[in-house]
Amino acid sequence: DTAVSQTPKYLVTQMGNDKSIKCEQNLGHDTMYWYKQDSKKFLKIMFSYNNKELIINETVPNRFSPKSPDKAHLNLHINSLELGDSAVYFCASSKGGGSSTEAFFGQGTRLTVV
Amino acid sequence: GNSVTQMEGPVTLSEEAFLTINCTYTATGYPSLFWYVQYPGEGLQLLLKATKADDKGSNKGFEATYRKETTSFHLEKGSVQVSDSAVYFCALTDSVSGNTPLVFGKGTRLSVIA
Repeated sequence: DTAVSQTPKYLVTQMGNDKSIKCEQNLGHDTMYWYKQDSKKFLKIMFSYNNKELIINETVPNRFSPKSPDKAHLNLHINSLELGDSAVYFCASSKGGGSSTEAFFGQGTRLTVV
Repeated sequence: GNSVTQMEGPVTLSEEAFLTINCTYTATGYPSLFWYVQYPGEGLQLLLKATKADDKGSNKGFEATYRKETTSFHLEKGSVQVSDSAVYFCALTDSVSGNTPLVFGKGTRLSVIA
């Protein structure tokens, strides 16, 4: 069983479109995250949710809207896609928010905006 | 703020060579330190971690020691294999600042040749 699964794995779309990426974790964790990995492999936190509530939003354009219908899911919706949004997006989860807690990552969604 | 600096890659080694990837950090509180590995086309996997000063994390022949005096967490392996080829990320979380999402270094690509 995959611990953190995200779909789709690949997403190619045109500028201006709206798209969603879904994430589900079956680990019973209460904290979930979205990270963006750019073409140089740099990873940066976008959002963090704890028990379905947004706790961190790191200066992400408001075209990006996360939604957490329950603790096991954190979806990412992106409006009006731009070329600069092309990247690999990783979902992750962890148990609680403690600093010693490791995060488990999904396999990533490679978004290409053309 | 919190940050992680790791050596620039790529690093190319012959099989059975000794590996060191340097990592230093800046944190406002008492961070936990992590090494994650990303194999080609995959998500990130936790390689090892250390949660307090002088702790040594180890896994799959890799090890790193949490050095508070030098704010470092260098990754080492005595004899690398071709299968170790991947991108390695040093990361931290910091409980005092409440910033529990991982803060990553820029990653170091390792290529091991037979």
